[in-house]
Amino acid sequence: QKEVEQNSGPLSVPEGAIASLNCTYSDRGSQSFFWYRQYSGKSPELIMSIYSNGDKEDGRFTAQLNKASQYVSLLIRDSQPSDSATYLCAVNGVRDDKIIFGKGTRLHILP
Amino acid sequence: GAVVSQHPSRVICKSGTSVKIECRSLDFQATTMFWYRQFPKQSLMLMATSNEGSKATYEQGVEKDKFLINHASLTLSTLTVTSAHPEDSSFYICSAREAGPTYNEQFFGPGTRLTVL
Repeated sequence: QKEVEQNSGPLSVPEGAIASLNCTYSDRGSQSFFWYRQYSGKSPELIMSIYSNGDKEDGRFTAQLNKASQYVSLLIRDSQPSDSATYLCAVNGVRDDKIIFGKGTRLHILP
Repeated sequence: GAVVSQHPSRVICKSGTSVKIECRSLDFQATTMFWYRQFPKQSLMLMATSNEGSKATYEQGVEKDKFLINHASLTLSTLTVTSAHPEDSSFYICSAREAGPTYNEQFFGPGTRLTVL
């Protein structure tokens, strides 16, 4: 059974601090990893993709992947109130036609 | 780039009627589109996967005769909720994956909020 696990939160972080979101996955064959942001009442928005071990930075966002530990994380630097949302971790494998989503972590940035 | 649209954004209908939702990839060709449903404060639930020119693959527990999916072209997929009932009221979201060698990124449409009276 392929699974993607996330802490549901809420994770509360002061404005300006670093928010750290974590995700583990069960399928060792997974090759593609994604972070989506979903505001309440809206559809998910792709914010980061990562495919190889290490860090990938895009603006205030850094995705980290450790395939040996089956762990992927998202760091948000200089957190802003507008970052308050649910963050979905998603994973798929080489031959899998579908992305498996975690249940999401609710992030609340405290002004 | 990678824009996906959905129409309508919101629909209210009477019980027993059918509702069609369109999903379009505006700036890329999508070999595969996915349909999700999300109830308030719950996770995304994949309903079905549709590939252009072939029958959709439905997830376990999703009635294929109730949720009709047509993926007639590389830019358009439709979901028809037939004989809708109040329990079908939900947020329906499509996503599309670009054709060609990609890393399987999926891009979501803005969603359609269905209310069945």
